[in-house]
Amino acid sequence: LAKTTQPISMDSYEGQEVNITCSHNNIATNDYITWYQQFPSQGPRFIIQGYKTKVTNEVASLFIPADRKSSTLSLPRVSLSDTAVYYCLVGDPHGGATNKLIFGTGTLLAVQP
Amino acid sequence: DTEVTQTPKHLVMGMTNKKSLKCEQHMGHRAMYWYKQKAKKPPELMFVYSYEKLSINESVPSRFSPECPNSSLLNLHLHALQPEDSALYLCASKDRNTEAFFGQGTRLTVV
Repeated sequence: LAKTTQPISMDSYEGQEVNITCSHNNIATNDYITWYQQFPSQGPRFIIQGYKTKVTNEVASLFIPADRKSSTLSLPRVSLSDTAVYYCLVGDPHGGATNKLIFGTGTLLAVQP
Repeated sequence: DTEVTQTPKHLVMGMTNKKSLKCEQHMGHRAMYWYKQKAKKPPELMFVYSYEKLSINESVPSRFSPECPNSSLLNLHLHALQPEDSALYLCASKDRNTEAFFGQGTRLTVV
């Protein structure tokens, strides 16, 4: 399973764009990159998933360079409610139960007024 | 319905008690997961069920006993736990082409 490395914490202010990077040097050919958000005492919630280049949805964008050894989650114009832990996971989403969904350390994003 | 429902939300149990955590999903997902999460740590995988059969046990102590009675339900039976087992226990479900859906967790305190 590909190991992921993220910054432990980041600080930002309301209205700014936040970019959280994730390193996954030994990503496999069939692996996708998936980001989850977790608030205290709640279960993680899916944000976005991608395989290569750029993916965008209503809440975030995911940038993946050609070598796929890293990825960047971009949150546009963050608000106080975006304060949470963000996890980057790497695995084969089509693998069913063999996809162990292993969480790395995550990044605690603190948004200030 | 895209919810994973966990009950109870909170549980306090003594070290000699037997209790069970319950997880339910009606999305037709064929993989279900149990995680343990300590404060300020990432979720730690415990068990994975696939098609109602245990497929992965991450070397979890036998005082934790999972059970999958049917495709919608996952239980975690607890017996003779230790105070260090106090944590947030999370259930998740997933199918081949979906992301994982997590429940809100059960906050367990062992006294």
